[in-house]
Amino acid sequence: ILNVEQSPQSLHVQEGDSTNFTCSFPSSNFYALHWYRWETAKSPEALFVMTLNGDEKKKGRISATLNTKEGYSYLYIKGSQPEDSATYLCAPGMGGFKTIFGAGTRLFVKA
Amino acid sequence: GAVVSQHPSWVICKSGTSVKIECRSLDFQATTMFWYRQFPKQSLMLMATSNEGSKATYEQGVEKDKFLINHASLTLSTLTVTSAHPEDSSFYICSARGPGGFTDTQYFGPGTRLTVL
Repeated sequence: ILNVEQSPQSLHVQEGDSTNFTCSFPSSNFYALHWYRWETAKSPEALFVMTLNGDEKKKGRISATLNTKEGYSYLYIKGSQPEDSATYLCAPGMGGFKTIFGAGTRLFVKA
Repeated sequence: GAVVSQHPSWVICKSGTSVKIECRSLDFQATTMFWYRQFPKQSLMLMATSNEGSKATYEQGVEKDKFLINHASLTLSTLTVTSAHPEDSSFYICSARGPGGFTDTQYFGPGTRLTVL
């Protein structure tokens, strides 16, 4: 059973705070890792895809890093805004051609 | 980004009836489509993966005869919940991916809320 863990489960921050969360996955048979953002009543939206150990991606105030050897990825949000409130999902592509989603980190940003 | 539509967005049906959910990629060719189910307060659970023109690959524990998946073209996949029962009530969401494999982004539909009475 492939186990993808995301922590924390939920996070409450104030506007302007920087925050980060973690995605852990089995390091064997790794192909790629995706991060998605899922706002309530909308479709999950792709943020990043990373494939190489040490990859770093950035999109505005959001960035992500990848460590394939130890099986984790971090997502960082700098200067959180209320519109960043959403569930952030990571999805590693593993052996067997499956993409498994973590349970997500629910971020609440208070103005 | 690419757009994936899903129809209907919500449906209420009687126990024993069948319900069909459509997933369309509107502006790209979806080599692979995925169907997920989300239980309350849980993550997306992959039900099946389908490639255009071939039979869907179902995940362990998902009944093939219960959840019929057809991926007849590069832009359309359908999920039919046959003889639906209240325990099938859930949020179903599809996604579509181009030919790039794992490194290609999955584009999601908005989901379908199914309620079986």
